[in-house]
Amino acid sequence: EAQVTQNPRYLITVTGKKLTVTCSQNMNHEYMSWYRQDPGLGLRQIYYSMNVEVTDKGDVPEGYKVSRKEKRNFPLILESPSPNQTSLYFCASSFNQGNYVDEQYFGPGTRLTVT
Amino acid sequence: AQKVTQAQTEISVVEKEDVTLDCVYETRDTTYYLFWYKQPPSGELVFLIRRNSFDEQNEISGRYSWNFQKSTSSFNFTITASQVVDSAVYFCALSEANSGYSTLTFGKGTMLLVSP
Repeated sequence: EAQVTQNPRYLITVTGKKLTVTCSQNMNHEYMSWYRQDPGLGLRQIYYSMNVEVTDKGDVPEGYKVSRKEKRNFPLILESPSPNQTSLYFCASSFNQGNYVDEQYFGPGTRLTVT
Repeated sequence: AQKVTQAQTEISVVEKEDVTLDCVYETRDTTYYLFWYKQPPSGELVFLIRRNSFDEQNEISGRYSWNFQKSTSSFNFTITASQVVDSAVYFCALSEANSGYSTLTFGKGTMLLVSP
C-alpha cells in the first residue's frame, strides 16, 4: 500500500529536549515536505526536499532542521523545542518531474506538545 | 508571492443543502496547479482534486464539482446535497512553476458543518 508514515503520532516533551519526528514514504517520490498546522493559520511549510541531499527552507523554518540522506526518509529535528512549536505536523511526498506536479500524499500527522 | 484566500472561515448547513466553498488565489505565474484537500475530524488530509492552469474545464465527481475561473482567479468547490459525512475542514492550495513547484501554499481552510 502506497503510504507516508510518521512516528511518533503523539509526543509530549519538555522545553529544550531534542526530538526527531521520522517520516518515510514507499512511493519512490523525489519530493518531500514538512508542514505544521495551527488553528486559524492553515498549513505552513517548514522545509522541503526536491531530492536526496537537496533541502530548502519553507515559510517557517526557524527552530527546525531536516536531512535527506535517503530517498524514502525525511526526518524533522527539533534541536531545542519550545512551547511555540506545539503544533500538528504533517509530512508529505509527491511525484514532481519537470512541469508535472502530482498531488501531495500526506502522512497521518504528529501531534506535538512542548511544555 | 503566491497567496490563497479562503474567506469563509466556517459554514453551517443542513443536510441536503448545496454549499459552495470559495477559493481565491494570487500568483504572477502563468503556470501553476491548484488543489483541494479535505480534513475530516479524524485529522488526516485527503486529496480531492488537482487542476493545472491550462485546464479551465470544470469538473464534476459525484456530488462534488469545481469551478475554475482564471479571469477571477478563483477555484470554487461546490457540494451538492450535502451529507453529515461532508463535515470537515477544506483547504485550497496553490503550487506555481516559478518556485519549481517546490512550495504548496495553503489557504487557512473553511470548516464545513453539516447538521442532520
